[in-house]
Amino acid sequence: EAGVAQSPRYKIIEKRQSVAFWCNPISGHATLYWYQQILGQGPKLLIQFQNNGVVDDSQLPKDRFSAERLKGVDSTLKIQPAKLEDSAVYLCASSNTGIYGYTFGSGTRLTVV
Amino acid sequence: QKEVEQNSGPLSVPEGAIASLNCTYSDRVSQSFFWYRQYSGKSPELIMSIYSNGDKEDGRFTAQLNKASQYVSLLIRDSQPSDSATYLCAGAMRSSASKIIFGSGTRLSIRP
Repeated sequence: EAGVAQSPRYKIIEKRQSVAFWCNPISGHATLYWYQQILGQGPKLLIQFQNNGVVDDSQLPKDRFSAERLKGVDSTLKIQPAKLEDSAVYLCASSNTGIYGYTFGSGTRLTVV
Repeated sequence: QKEVEQNSGPLSVPEGAIASLNCTYSDRVSQSFFWYRQYSGKSPELIMSIYSNGDKEDGRFTAQLNKASQYVSLLIRDSQPSDSATYLCAGAMRSSASKIIFGSGTRLSIRP
C-alpha cells in the first residue's frame, strides 16, 4: 500500500510569513495526526482528526496554527504568521484506529529565518 | 512529570553486543507502548509494540513491559552499525487510546 504522502519536503520562509503543509494519508485510514518535531526532541502532537472531525487540538497554538481535513482524506496545516521557534519538522501520520501505532510520512522540514 | 521519559544518551555499544534502551511512563499513560526508530533526517518508523506485561520478541528485538514499575525497555541483540539511530519510546494516553505521546528519544551508536 502507498504510504503517507507529505509535501513539500523542505520550506524556508522569513518570520511573519505564512506557510502551508499538505498530507495525504494511507487509503482508508480514518485517523490523521500532525506532529511537530523540534531538533533533538521527540514528536509533539499538534492535532488529531477522526475522519474530518477534530479529536484533540489541545497542543495546537491556535493564534497562529490552523488545520483542516476536508472530506475526511487530505489535510493541510497552516502557520500564519510564522515565528523563529516554529522551525521544526512537521510530521503527518495516519492509522486505522491509532491503538496499534501509526505510520508517519516523510515530513516537511521548515526553517524560519 | 512528563508522560514518557527517556535518557537522551548517547548510548554507545560495541558491535555484536546487546543494546538496552529504557523508558518510564506516568499514570496518565495507558498500557499500550511502542518503540520507533528514527534515522538522522528521516521520519520515525514503528519497530515494536507491546500491550501486556512481560516480553515480546521479534527477531533481534525484544520489548519488555513492567506495569508495576511503569517502565518499558527495548533490547537489541547482536547490535549492528545499521542499528545506530535515535529510538523513541511512546505510549498511548489513558484518556484516549488513539493519542500517542513520545519521549524525547535515546541516541544509540553502535561502534565497529
